[in-house]
Amino acid sequence: GAVVSQHPSRVICKSGTSVKIECRSLDFQATTMFWYRQFPKQSLMLMATSNEGSKATYEQGVEKDKFLINHASLTLSTLTVTSAHPEDSSFYICSASIGTGGSYSNQPQHFGDGTRLSIL
Amino acid sequence: AQSVTQLGSHVSVSEGALVLLRCNYSSSVPPYLFWYVQYPNQGLQLLLKYTTGATLVKGINGFEAEFKKSETSFHLTKPSAHMSDAAEYFCAVSDKGYGGATNKLIFGTGTLLAVQP
Repeated sequence: GAVVSQHPSRVICKSGTSVKIECRSLDFQATTMFWYRQFPKQSLMLMATSNEGSKATYEQGVEKDKFLINHASLTLSTLTVTSAHPEDSSFYICSASIGTGGSYSNQPQHFGDGTRLSIL
Repeated sequence: AQSVTQLGSHVSVSEGALVLLRCNYSSSVPPYLFWYVQYPNQGLQLLLKYTTGATLVKGINGFEAEFKKSETSFHLTKPSAHMSDAAEYFCAVSDKGYGGATNKLIFGTGTLLAVQP
């Protein structure tokens, strides 16, 4: 159980293109989804937290107009990298949790397999 | 604020040897602690977690970790390494949703485990 599917697994595109990455919880309802960015041989950097039906909360230093997050349903969140440039090339990983706080506070995050984004 | 320190960015063991990956945490509230494993070009897979109760936690693939409050540690161990254990391991602490926070995970910098034949 607790499977998270992330698509696509790899994207190569030209500079200036906008890229959409999907994150789906396949067998549970994810109240909260998280988007991370991982640079080579480094840890995961949280970019934003999204809750179904509300605006995402971005971490300090993350451009919300650059990285658009939509969490329209309890099973789907999308990250759109707008007008991507080579410096946006990275490994993007999403995770999902069935809830936050209260009785859900001990629930782990379940991760997708990541998206390797390469901007030429 | 919570933080996690993983000592040793690279650990190499022989197949069949003990695996010990170190993790120390800092938290202003009783922590929830997690170990995740990442294989190349993949996401993270949960190995085990500590929330409350028994301080020795058993996870998948023969791994276990012990929560030691006095040492603020949550080291990951496995009695006998297997070649398939070669991967990157991340320790993480959760903010537990207190005060309106959202169960954010704070990750350590990771430890790359190599297993030699």
